[in-house]
Order: sequence, then C-alpha cells, then structure tokens
Amino acid sequence: KNQVEQSPQSLIILEGKNCTLQCNYTVSPFSNLRWYKQDTGRGPVSLTIMTFSENTKSNGRYTATLDADTKQSSLHITASQLSDSASYICVAWGNFGNEKLTFGTGTRLTIIP
Amino acid sequence: DTEVTQTPKHLVMGMTNKKSLKCEQHMGHRAMYWYKQKAKKPPELMFVYSYEKLSINESVPSRFSPECPNSSLLNLHLHALQPEDSALYLCASSQNRGTEAFFGQGTRLTVV
Repeated sequence: KNQVEQSPQSLIILEGKNCTLQCNYTVSPFSNLRWYKQDTGRGPVSLTIMTFSENTKSNGRYTATLDADTKQSSLHITASQLSDSASYICVAWGNFGNEKLTFGTGTRLTIIP
Repeated sequence: DTEVTQTPKHLVMGMTNKKSLKCEQHMGHRAMYWYKQKAKKPPELMFVYSYEKLSINESVPSRFSPECPNSSLLNLHLHALQPEDSALYLCASSQNRGTEAFFGQGTRLTVV
C-alpha cells in the first residue's frame, strides 16, 4: 500500500531560524517525489520535484534531499520568514502501473517574530 | 503562463441546487485532475483526465460529474450534494501524468 508519512505534524520556530521537515514514503515502483507549500484555504504550490536519481535540489531558501535507498526525503528551510508559515506537503508519484500521487498529511509550520 | 485558474473562488449551494466548478489552464498540459480537500487533510484524488478522456474515477458518487470540453478546460458539475461534501475543491494539471502538477487556488464549497 502506498504511504507517505511526514514529521513533525507541526512546528513553531522563530523568524530567521532554519528548520528541516522529514518525509518517509513507501511507494513502489517509485518515480519522483515532490514538496508543496500550501497556505490555508489555497491550492498547493510546487517547491521541488526530484526523480529517484536526484539527491538534492534547491529552490531559493528551500533545499530538498532524497535518499531513494532509505525512501526518505527532507525539506530544509533556511533563514525562515513570516511568509513561510504554511503547510508543507510531501507527495510521491509511482510508476509502472502505480501511477498516482500519494500525499503526506503535511507539516504545519508557523514562523513567529 | 503557469497558472491554473479556478472559478468561482467560493460557492454556497443548497442540497437541491445544480452548480458547476470550472478550471482552465493554457500551459498545453494534457492531464487534468480534480481533488477534494477537507480541513487539515491532504487532497484526495477524485478524477483524472488524460488527453481529454476520463482515465481515473476514484469511486466518486454520481452527484459529482466531471466534463472535459477541450484540452484547456475541466468542469465539475454538482447536483444534489450533501453537507459533508463541503470542502476545498482543487483542480490541477500536468504535462503528462507523472510530471510536475500545478494546482489552482481552489473553490471553497459550502453545502447548506
């Protein structure tokens, strides 16, 4: 059964600090992994997409890593800003008959001044 | 243009009403999706269209009826909904199934 688990469920950090969000997935066959940012009541916005052969990808202050052997991914946010407050969702895409998006339940990040 | 546009942004409807949600993209994407999202939950897939043909229906009740008039448009027709159908309805598109998906801002639906 396809599953994506994220931790922590919620996180509160001070503005300017760094943080790392974790994602474990059991999606097989696996094709790619995505991180989305979702503000409350809005649609998700793509941050990164990585195939199984990629280890790291950056998008501004966001850096995602992927270890396809351990089926783990992380999203590191550097120098957090108040506008980073949102839910961050890890999503895995399968392959070869398993072509569907499996969503994690997200990490709710709150940045406080 | 990397936008997926959904209208309306908010919709309140009675259980006997008929309404439609609309989704539009001009990125030349050939896969389009409808998702339903309840508060504090991840999006749940409802339908997938690939090359304007329905390829996945995740056992969605018939009171939800999708339609893909052309490669840029995706509609979701609503009829005889229940209060528990109240949710954020998200449309997404991707070049093909498996490539990066772009989401619209959603329609907040309230059934009274």
